[in-house]
Amino acid sequence: EVQLVESGGGLVQPGGSLRLSCAASGFTFSDHYMDWVRQAPGKGLEWVGRTRNKANSYTTEYAASVKGRFTISRDDSKNSLYLQMNSLKTEDTAVYYCAREVGGFDYWGQGTLVTVSS
Amino acid sequence: QSALTQPASVSGSPGQSITISCTGTSSDVGGYNYVSWYQQHPGKAPKLMIYDVSNRPSGVSNRFSGSKSGNTASLTISGLQAEDEADYYCSSYTSSSAVVFGGGTKLTVL
Repeated sequence: EVQLVESGGGLVQPGGSLRLSCAASGFTFSDHYMDWVRQAPGKGLEWVGRTRNKANSYTTEYAASVKGRFTISRDDSKNSLYLQMNSLKTEDTAVYYCAREVGGFDYWGQGTLVTVSS
Repeated sequence: QSALTQPASVSGSPGQSITISCTGTSSDVGGYNYVSWYQQHPGKAPKLMIYDVSNRPSGVSNRFSGSKSGNTASLTISGLQAEDEADYYCSSYTSSSAVVFGGGTKLTVL
């Protein structure tokens, strides 16, 4: 059974940093592109970015709203995906989901809430 | 990258069919056959319902179907059921190798 479990969310002050993790199981993690998608309270879905697989040199892409502040990485030996978030803004407050990208996003985690507030 | 345009809400009675539109540009919806649709119930993670415009993942009811014409994609749900009441989002791959979502459509089953 495919499972994605996010962790690391919490309350952080504007300008601060936070690192989210996503533990994957039930599939060959190293074969897949992995993405982060967020959802602000009461709002719609927003794509954050992706990391491609080893075969595609682990290249990354980011949404314009987070480029230069967020970094996506992965550790295939630990079946884990990460999102390093720096220079956080109040508008980054959201539930952050990790998702497997196969055609669409076919599996999602349960999400972890990040609140940016003073 | 602007969000794809979806109607804010649609409604239908049990047994009826409804269609949700998703309008983009030639740089996203119109340029690629990589449109997906997601269903999200309150407090839950989104669920993939359609991928690559018209393909259904295993386990998704055949009451759900997708199509595309030009810069507009559509999700049709036939034989509406109470459990279909949810938010629906479209997404598309873009010319900048990004993914863009629609603003979401709230489906109400009357």
